[in-house]
Amino acid sequence: DAGVTQSPTHLIKTRGQQVTLRCSPKSGHDTVSWYQQALGQGPQFIFQYYEEEERQRGNFPDRFSGHQFPNYSSELNVNALLLGDSALYLCASSETLQGASEKLFFGSGTQLSVL
Amino acid sequence: QQQVKQSPQSLIVQKGGISIINCAYENTAFDYFPWYQQFPGKGPALLIAIRPDVSEKKEGRFTISFNKSAKQFSLHIMDSQPGDSATYFCAASKAGTALIFGKGTTLSVSS
Repeated sequence: DAGVTQSPTHLIKTRGQQVTLRCSPKSGHDTVSWYQQALGQGPQFIFQYYEEEERQRGNFPDRFSGHQFPNYSSELNVNALLLGDSALYLCASSETLQGASEKLFFGSGTQLSVL
Repeated sequence: QQQVKQSPQSLIVQKGGISIINCAYENTAFDYFPWYQQFPGKGPALLIAIRPDVSEKKEGRFTISFNKSAKQFSLHIMDSQPGDSATYFCAASKAGTALIFGKGTTLSVSS
């Protein structure tokens, strides 16, 4: 049983570019959340998707957007990249929206470097 | 405003010793308090979690102690092993909302 898979594992972009990160949730999970983890910090919640809709959003600008597909996989898009967007982007999945913060399974993340 | 404050930032413990990491929270509406373990190059993995209706939960060598009146909870790792060397995060959430994480504690267990 595959866990949460994310691609790519590493990415280098320049300021002003756009990036798309991808996530496949754990089998049987329908809720996907995205977190940003800056170096030496804890993960910060970006947004959560359930039934192809954004259900919750953290304190991130509109440059951060996402999508969930019918097979529950998800994408995170970041436009107009800033140096401060350099971080590890984590995708997490859970069984249900009700318990979406409980028993989260995280992927290994995508390390984004903005130059 | 940091809703979950974690300490210490780093911790060195001898093999066989007890590792203790503390967290304090501000929002009394929080009702779920997990601890996550993260190894380099990996995502966080759920270690153990507690709800405020109990004061302690134990799973193997890992124990959460919870003090509702003080708005604090802690992770105790008994008989610490070199394989426990990792970064540990406390977190908190209220029903239906996303987890808020602490800043993490880097634990090194020396052999």
